[in-house]
Amino acid sequence: KAGVTQTPRYLIKTRGQQVTLSCSPISGHRSVSWYQQTPGQGLQFLFEYFSETQRNKGNFPGRFSGRQFSNSRSEMNVSTLELGDSALYLCASSRVLPTGDGKTQYFGPGTRLLVL
Amino acid sequence: GENVEQHPSTLSVQEGDSAVIKCTYSDSASNYFPWYKQELGKRPQLIIDIRSNVGEKKDQRIAVTLNKTAKHFSLHITETQPEDSAVYFCAASLYEKLTFGTGTRLTIIP
Repeated sequence: KAGVTQTPRYLIKTRGQQVTLSCSPISGHRSVSWYQQTPGQGLQFLFEYFSETQRNKGNFPGRFSGRQFSNSRSEMNVSTLELGDSALYLCASSRVLPTGDGKTQYFGPGTRLLVL
Repeated sequence: GENVEQHPSTLSVQEGDSAVIKCTYSDSASNYFPWYKQELGKRPQLIIDIRSNVGEKKDQRIAVTLNKTAKHFSLHITETQPEDSAVYFCAASLYEKLTFGTGTRLTIIP
């Protein structure tokens, strides 16, 4: 079974621009979560989508948004980029069984964003 | 919200010895505790996880223990090998939101 994939893998943008990152979950996984990883702040939760609905949200400004499509693929968007948005953006997918189990999250390789 | 503390931040262990990493969490409602290993330039990889209805879980050289009363959980790696060198993250969650610890850089000394 193919793992979680993310595109693009690397991205360079300038301040003020916007960026869209894409994530394809493992087949059959309906939950997609996004995380930001930086040396200073570590791994921080951005948001989680399930069945095209945002279920959980972290403490990030409104410039960070996302969506999920009917095939469970997800995108996240960052508008008005700031230097501090430079980070590795990771998505993770999980099965989410009706029993409440299946929380195990499997990570993609990440998109490394550099804001100049 | 949930807060996870992880110690130590760095750990050097002689090859063949054991390594222990400890985490504490703040939200007693959290019920799922995974551990991830991240090698340089790679994605976090799940190595073991435990749910709140279990006190201990073992997978070959790796074990995790959970003390719900004290709200702490630990990762134990026995018979360490050079390939165990990496950054290890603990996490706690109630739903799909994982709150991570700050990571432990484990170095295995040959």
